[in-house]
Amino acid sequence: AQKITQTQPGMFVQEKEAVTLDCTYDTSDPSYGLFWYKQPSSGEMIFLIYQGSYDQQNATEGRYSLNFQKARKSANLVISASQLGDSAMYFCAMREGWDGQNFVFGPGTRLSVLP
Amino acid sequence: ETGVTQSPTHLIKTRGQQVTLRCSSQSGHNTVSWYQQALGQGPQFIFQYYREEENGRGNFPPRFSGLQFPNYSSELNVNALELDDSALYLCASRPLAGEDNEQFFGPGTRLTVL
Repeated sequence: AQKITQTQPGMFVQEKEAVTLDCTYDTSDPSYGLFWYKQPSSGEMIFLIYQGSYDQQNATEGRYSLNFQKARKSANLVISASQLGDSAMYFCAMREGWDGQNFVFGPGTRLSVLP
Repeated sequence: ETGVTQSPTHLIKTRGQQVTLRCSSQSGHNTVSWYQQALGQGPQFIFQYYREEENGRGNFPPRFSGLQFPNYSSELNVNALELDDSALYLCASRPLAGEDNEQFFGPGTRLTVL
């Protein structure tokens, strides 16, 4: 079974608009971490935002926010005020356990920002 | 503070050959993980090293092996290369115990097997 599901292979958004990238996860471990990474065409994985399973509030980092709905096992990424440079692949990932050895990545969503 | 570096950037090998990829972890990070990312897919965990020992492994055959050195740099070795081994290989480092255990990735090595 897939541990991380990203149901949107591709998304388009108009410049300056907000966009939500979906991510659902599956784990029975009470302690886990959820991450979002951006991967431009150059290939490097760029860390965007982190949410711990025990965090009470949704994480925010500048234009990025994470809509964490624990009961639904969902961790959607919201990008506000999209910029052309936001065009890239976006991966949701999960680390299980307080010292999880394995980051499990989803299949990714390709975001294209239109001028 | 230097980030994670990987070498070489690109590599072309033929089926059956052996390859060694290298990674220098970020300063202060003692844990290194390797990932394989096939074209159009998310990264797949290969293994993790902590204090020079493998302490976690994904679903990869034994011909994928690694080393970690006292300075925490690392190598990924792949023997008997197959066409399906063509991928971007990513190295990531992190401190073992951290507030969020965030991993910092290197730029990757793109391996092509002909």
